[in-house]
Amino acid sequence: AQKVTQAQTEISVVEKEDVTLDCVYETRDTTYYLFWYKQPPSGELVFLIRRNSFDEQNEISGRYSWNFQKSTSSFNFTITASQVVDSAVYFCALSENDYKLSFGAGTTVTVRA
Amino acid sequence: NAGVTQTPKFQVLKTGQSMTLQCAQDMNHEYMSWYRQDPGMGLRLIHYSVGAGITDQGEVPNGYNVSRSTTEDFPLRLLSAAPSQTSVYFCASSPFTGELFFGEGSRLTVL
Repeated sequence: AQKVTQAQTEISVVEKEDVTLDCVYETRDTTYYLFWYKQPPSGELVFLIRRNSFDEQNEISGRYSWNFQKSTSSFNFTITASQVVDSAVYFCALSENDYKLSFGAGTTVTVRA
Repeated sequence: NAGVTQTPKFQVLKTGQSMTLQCAQDMNHEYMSWYRQDPGMGLRLIHYSVGAGITDQGEVPNGYNVSRSTTEDFPLRLLSAAPSQTSVYFCASSPFTGELFFGEGSRLTVL
């Protein structure tokens, strides 16, 4: 069975601080896919990134970066120089087939001005 | 461009009542799914479909039915609502690329 653990329930930071969200996953498959989604206070779910199990390169997109380490089964997400607009719930997700996703419980990030 | 449309956005039911949450997408996606979101539990998969005429159970299917007669529509039926089904429901579709396109959500309260 697949499982995604986001151990941090809530994180509160002051604007311009960096924040790292942890995601640990469990799967028996050798091929799998990892995702991050953002849910701002307005409630919609926004896709951020998809990574397959064969691509361990870290990725950077603006102030967002992702660190994928198969050795520790982790796919961590860092927001650099956080802004108030980054306040949201962030979900990590895992899929064995690239469409049926299992989500973690989510981490609520609050960025204070 | 509508994307994924869910109706209704809000609904209050009494225990034992039935209702249908509607979901329609205009992106010609074969894959559609229903999730429920509860505090501290993330999103849990209820049912999914990989194409018209094909449906399957997800992690928490009890108390819910689905059908997929067309590519566009994937309604979720609550047969006899229970307070445990109070939740926010999200419909999502995908072209099998992993990126899910979500509707805006439907908030259901069962009294």
